[in-house]
Amino acid sequence: NAGVTQTPKFQVLKTGQSMTLQCAQDMNHNSMYWYRQDPGMGLRLIYYSASEGTTDKGEVPNGYNVSRLNKREFSLRLESAAPSQTSVYFCASSETGGGQPQHFGDGTRLSIL
Amino acid sequence: QQQVKQSPQSLIVQKGGISIINCAYENTAFDYFPWYQQFPGKGPALLIAIRPDVSEKKEGRFTISFNKSAKQFSLHIMDSQPGDSATYFCAATGGFKTIFGAGTRLFVKA
Repeated sequence: NAGVTQTPKFQVLKTGQSMTLQCAQDMNHNSMYWYRQDPGMGLRLIYYSASEGTTDKGEVPNGYNVSRLNKREFSLRLESAAPSQTSVYFCASSETGGGQPQHFGDGTRLSIL
Repeated sequence: QQQVKQSPQSLIVQKGGISIINCAYENTAFDYFPWYQQFPGKGPALLIAIRPDVSEKKEGRFTISFNKSAKQFSLHIMDSQPGDSATYFCAATGGFKTIFGAGTRLFVKA
């Protein structure tokens, strides 16, 4: 049972490049989330999907887009990467509908030069 | 604007001691208060959580104390072990959004 799987684990981009971070969960959870983690700032919510077919902005959505492809998959896209987006990105899922993430992936470490 | 303030930033405790991490929140609309544990290179893991209608919740060596009037809550780790060394995050949930504290790095000395 894999839980929440994120790909890739590491990525280096140049400023202006685009990329998509992939996330899949195999727990049949309804809700999925994208967070970024920066030193000394905890985790900040970028976007979330309360259920299949819906997405909403979190605390720091600027510069990102998301797609809830199906119940299992929730992707995060950087259209034009900026150095300020250098961070560790975590995907999470939850069975309950209250907004609190229950299971996290192990993260994607993204560096933008 | 930091909606959930966590202290201390780092904590060193002797094996067998009690680790205490404190958090304060501002928004009274929060209705769920989870704690997460994170080991290096891993994602956070949900550890224990409490709702504001309860003043205390205990699961094994982990206890949450909640003071609704003061808008404060804390995590107590009893009989702390070296394996508890990790970063701990408090959080508060409301309106389908969970806001995290900045984290506390706990080191338990053997």
